[in-house]
Amino acid sequence: DTGVSQNPRHKITKRGQNVTFRCDPISEHNRLYWYRQTLGQGPEFLTYFQNEAQLEKSRLLSDRFSAERPKGSFSTLEIQRTEQGDSAMYLCASSSSWPAKFFGPGTRLTVL
Amino acid sequence: GESVGLHLPTLSVQEGDNSIINCAYSNSASDYFIWYKQESGKGPQFIIDIRSNMDKRQGQRVTVLLNKTVKHLSLQIAATQPGDSAVYFCAEGSGGTSYGKLTFGQGTILTVHP
Repeated sequence: DTGVSQNPRHKITKRGQNVTFRCDPISEHNRLYWYRQTLGQGPEFLTYFQNEAQLEKSRLLSDRFSAERPKGSFSTLEIQRTEQGDSAMYLCASSSSWPAKFFGPGTRLTVL
Repeated sequence: GESVGLHLPTLSVQEGDNSIINCAYSNSASDYFIWYKQESGKGPQFIIDIRSNMDKRQGQRVTVLLNKTVKHLSLQIAATQPGDSAVYFCAEGSGGTSYGKLTFGQGTILTVHP
């Protein structure tokens, strides 16, 4: 499978815990995007990487959220001190040029 | 602020009918539009895209129409099949200063009855 992959697919955590998600983009794609999708809504942009540089962050990305792409390949999204409002599907997309048309399967986060 | 929205939240059709899903956008600077299909528990699946310098683009069983005058986008699915049942999103973006992020609408639920 040469598509975007995300792990884990599902995560259930208790409020206040930290969680980390991983996105493996399509090989050699230098652009990587994170989106968040809540039930019944379209995905919302969170952040964008070009290679290892994080070039844009949405105001949705509070200080409890941090994303990295240390070697310009895979990326991680960490949420600290999770809140129930963080429950959502977290989606990753990658591309070699604009736009990033192809999304991964997402990580479904449930905060109890 | 700028947004992308859909006229109809739900659409129910019979198998074999043609389906039309509509989308209104408000950002006149958008120069790229995409339609996605999303099945339950899965990520958005790319269907078809169109640039603002085009009015129409056809794919396999799907056609996207863009009317820039009224800022309207539509997705036509020919001979709709039960496997087409899903939520459909339109998304818009601009390659200018937005780094290519996409703004999505709320989605239309398409249900195809056998």
